[in-house]
Amino acid sequence: ETVVTHSPVTLSLSPGERATLSCMTSQTIRSNSIAWYQQRPGQAPRLLIYHTSTRATGIPDRFSGSGAGTDFTLTISRLEPEDFAVYFCLQYGSSPRTFGQGTKVEVK
Amino acid sequence: QEQLQESGPGLVRPSETLSLTCTVPGDSLRGGDYYWSWLRQPPGKGLEWIGYIFNSGATFFNPSLKRRLTMSIDTAKSQFSLRLKSVTAADTAVYYCARDTAAIFDPWGPGLLVTVSS
Repeated sequence: ETVVTHSPVTLSLSPGERATLSCMTSQTIRSNSIAWYQQRPGQAPRLLIYHTSTRATGIPDRFSGSGAGTDFTLTISRLEPEDFAVYFCLQYGSSPRTFGQGTKVEVK
Repeated sequence: QEQLQESGPGLVRPSETLSLTCTVPGDSLRGGDYYWSWLRQPPGKGLEWIGYIFNSGATFFNPSLKRRLTMSIDTAKSQFSLRLKSVTAADTAVYYCARDTAAIFDPWGPGLLVTVSS
């Protein structure tokens, strides 16, 4: 099973700042099969990015994804108040699909 | 966007069977070329994919759970279901259903907390 690890676990930033979240996998991910989700307290996860860098429908362009191999990044260019949440990535290049534990983006 | 909805008991006793149903609005369960997945998230922990079912009834499960797991689908009712037997406290989690397209989960239901306790 592919293990997915996030860093940092917690990111403390102010609105308007840039957020850079990292996701590392224990095996090389084929076909850029990485997705990113946002989860607010008490809500279901919301798809932000798939195929490493493709934004899902309706996702603002301040969210962007990049990476290859075993290292992937989600960048939020300027944090809005509604962006303070938990973010986690999903690898779907190998079975079973696995999630990371997530990075919490909190208000500094 | 369509909203899936999980339903079932919020409390299950240890060693019994956890049974949940997901209702899918519209015709996508009947006519769509989608898989339908269950996932879960223990309190304060990360997400785990449980398994999926196709509208033909074909299934594929996470190896960690396959011994205890069955899934079914009722296209006439636009529902799919999960049964997890011999539950323990480790099965306490928020359970989600989601549409599964090209291995990506979207959209999701709001989730249902299931507690395993006597």
